[in-house]
Amino acid sequence: GQQVMQIPQYQHVQEGEDFTTYCNSSTTLSNIQWYKQRPGGHPVFLIQLVKSGEVKKQKRLTFQFGEAKKNSSLHITATQTTDVGTYFCAGLTGGGNKLTFGTGTQLKVEL
Amino acid sequence: ETGVTQTPRHLVMGMTNKKSLKCEQHLGHNAMYWYKQSAKKPLELMFVYNFKEQTENNSVPSRFSPECPNSSHLFLHLHTLQPEDSALYLCASSQRTSGAFNEQFFGPGTRLTVL
Repeated sequence: GQQVMQIPQYQHVQEGEDFTTYCNSSTTLSNIQWYKQRPGGHPVFLIQLVKSGEVKKQKRLTFQFGEAKKNSSLHITATQTTDVGTYFCAGLTGGGNKLTFGTGTQLKVEL
Repeated sequence: ETGVTQTPRHLVMGMTNKKSLKCEQHLGHNAMYWYKQSAKKPLELMFVYNFKEQTENNSVPSRFSPECPNSSHLFLHLHTLQPEDSALYLCASSQRTSGAFNEQFFGPGTRLTVL
């Protein structure tokens, strides 16, 4: 079955440092979504990418979808303590009706 | 956020008990989902309902029984669970199940402990 892996599993950074998480799918995706889950909270939708090579920005967050539509990345510039949480990618295969969530990257930001 | 609500928020049950989890969405969506989130595991999709019809059962054991009486309500009936079923059970909804407009809105979850 489809698998979606994320690296790294954990990342500790100092406030102000940059952070990147990478998402890789075993199959080609029709679109990819990113979610953030704060400690003790539930996943919250951040963004969806659909086109090959697409890049989208949300303030300090930059999302990319690979040319082959099998990988994606989330980059946070100058992290803040409010960025703490686990970031999940989730891929949808063409014609499918279910998202396959990645393994997640847990981000901790220290002052 | 009150778009998707879940009750109860916490549940402790024995292996012989029968209980139900409830989810309600106030977003006018047509699709609803149950997920299981265990420690150190990715979110596992359990069931998908589209316009009240079950469209996905991700090889879930029969001790979990979903029910979707309408597009706004989703239940998960539990019976004879095992300790390894202890997890956070998340409900989600989306406008559609595929293509655009399928971003999912999650409820706060039910933290289930099976003794």
